[in-house]
Amino acid sequence: DTAVSQTPKYLVTQMGNDKSIKCEQNLGHDTMYWYKQDSKKFLKIMFSYNNKELIINETVPNRFSPKSPDKAHLNLHINSLELGDSAVYFCASSQEPRPLYGYTFGSGTRLTVV
Amino acid sequence: DAKTTQPPSMDCAEGRAANLPCNHSTISGNEYVYWYRQIHSQGPQYIIHGLKNNETNEMASLIITEDRKSSTLILPHATLRDTAVYYCIGLNRDDKIIFGKGTRLHILP
Repeated sequence: DTAVSQTPKYLVTQMGNDKSIKCEQNLGHDTMYWYKQDSKKFLKIMFSYNNKELIINETVPNRFSPKSPDKAHLNLHINSLELGDSAVYFCASSQEPRPLYGYTFGSGTRLTVV
Repeated sequence: DAKTTQPPSMDCAEGRAANLPCNHSTISGNEYVYWYRQIHSQGPQYIIHGLKNNETNEMASLIITEDRKSSTLILPHATLRDTAVYYCIGLNRDDKIIFGKGTRLHILP
């Protein structure tokens, strides 16, 4: 009964391909996020959605496009994949935009671009 | 932004209390201090947060100094499963959780 689930867990793909990572939360939270953890283990926020509306968009290449069909889902589409996109991507959710009660993270998607 | 400073790594013997320090000298009056941890290959896990008062939950205790320039996360009886990277985080003005480098805690058997 996973609270925040991401699929796939592992993704290996070639440069130039387009891929998607899906995220679903069953916590009833209003806000969802995507974080990227690179090879140096830094966790950086990419996007934040509150009730299907984009509220944070960090300086991420526009090849990355989040899509939120409803407040329980936030999918990440990546076009024209590059080697530098290889990382672990984490989805998270919180009860409100100000995360006073903490984020719940998914277990991550390890993306490898070859 | 409440930038935080943590030691890069620490060791603690199994069964002993692990005390993880964090300096956040630029924290403003309404910024919370959060602690998360990341066990290898897993997503970050929320531990505890506080504003001024000391806090305790089933996972840990958080001691915040009176001037709020530093805090200590205490794991009262560390086990091998507590081996992880621990992040001390302050909310920035946009209320985004910004992760630093954290402290890699090694629990020694």
